[in-house]
Amino acid sequence: DAGITQSPRYKITETGRQVTLMCHQTWSHSYMFWYRQDLGHGLRLIYYSAAADITDKGEVPDGYVVSRSKTENFPLTLESATRSQTSVYFCASSESGFRDQPQHFGDGTRLSIL
Amino acid sequence: GENVEQHPSTLSVQEGDSAVIKCTYSDSASNYFPWYKQELGKRPQLIIDIRSNVGEKKDQRIAVTLNKTAKHFSLHITETQPEDSAVYFCAASIYSGAGSYQLTFGKGTKLSVIP
Repeated sequence: DAGITQSPRYKITETGRQVTLMCHQTWSHSYMFWYRQDLGHGLRLIYYSAAADITDKGEVPDGYVVSRSKTENFPLTLESATRSQTSVYFCASSESGFRDQPQHFGDGTRLSIL
Repeated sequence: GENVEQHPSTLSVQEGDSAVIKCTYSDSASNYFPWYKQELGKRPQLIIDIRSNVGEKKDQRIAVTLNKTAKHFSLHITETQPEDSAVYFCAASIYSGAGSYQLTFGKGTKLSVIP
């Protein structure tokens, strides 16, 4: 479904460049999340946000910056990309942060850093 | 923090047979356990979830069981079909502070259903 969209779907960039991945949701969900997915590691949480202007670190936050000025958008920025950040990035959202709220994922961004 | 172990990492079954994937978790405070299916190149999609006040939940050919004492939960797929071939992820919720929860995911199980 189109409730949560990510852009771009594919991105190739070079080491040292800044790159921003976009995430937009139309459900008015309070919570949004960024994960990276690498072979052998499953999904690992980078950052999450409980509401506009509230963000917090996940398991692997180093090298990433997030912001949430509007409820519907949650961009992820790699300020100086490194090869180790080559990955598939998924954005997700949930209605609230309560323990039993499911998360719904976007289609992902495949990022390659040369 | 929470640690979620998932086994096996790969599983091949004949069409029509059953498939079972098992997960264990470390944080006894976890009480929400979703399962996601991810087809190649696609997004993870929630297929079933269970809360700690329930021991088993079924949805057609899919069922999940939870043993809170042993801290493990399992996904059961009966009468498997080729379209069940995918990577399956289990997850457990953990408290992340300020009244909110995160999900910790297992590393995934690649299920192949052989026609």
